[in-house]
Amino acid sequence: QKEVEQDPGPLSVPEGAIVSLNCTYSNSAFQYFMWYRQYSRKGPELLMYTYSSGNKEDGRFTAQVDKSSKYISLFIRDSQPSDSATYLCAMRGYGKLTFGQGTILTVHP
Amino acid sequence: DSGVTQTPKHLITATGQRVTLRCSPRSGDLSVYWYQQSLDQGLQFLIQYYNGEERAKGNILERFSAQQFPDLHSELNLSSLELGDSALYFCASSPREGVYGYTFGSGTRLTVV
Repeated sequence: QKEVEQDPGPLSVPEGAIVSLNCTYSNSAFQYFMWYRQYSRKGPELLMYTYSSGNKEDGRFTAQVDKSSKYISLFIRDSQPSDSATYLCAMRGYGKLTFGQGTILTVHP
Repeated sequence: DSGVTQTPKHLITATGQRVTLRCSPRSGDLSVYWYQQSLDQGLQFLIQYYNGEERAKGNILERFSAQQFPDLHSELNLSSLELGDSALYFCASSPREGVYGYTFGSGTRLTVV
């Protein structure tokens, strides 16, 4: 079993939809939780990070962490075609980042 | 431009050969991380260096090695290449250890034929 599980999708939604991306994890040592966005032929870029359980909002993006359930989510409101990318969750514990498989998201006009 | 520079961008080589991938971290960053990304395995951590010293190892094969030089650039050496080594290799950097997130380069796409 992988330490971090993420549905690879692909996920296709119409412009303006609310997108929900999720990851589950098994290692209780994970303390920091991040979401990276990766456009085709580019490296991942840090989108959001959280430490504690709860919600963190940044513009159209909301990151949610539930440590008791070992479950994290990223919500994208009013999705745009420019949001089309692969979204990777990442978790930090014991000094290294462990990534999920990534979810491929396509937002069509 | 993320500030992390990787060269070359593309590399095509034959099985059994050896290649070197190079990474220059973002200015001021002391820690360098190497990751391998393939379609079936996702982003896999290979190795980390901090200020010239190896700090952590992940799923790095014995045929692979890396080092970080005094000017903080890093090189990943891949030898006795196999078809299965074809992947994207990313370098990332961070200012120090214990930082929550990394800055990634654009990667080197390695194709072994």
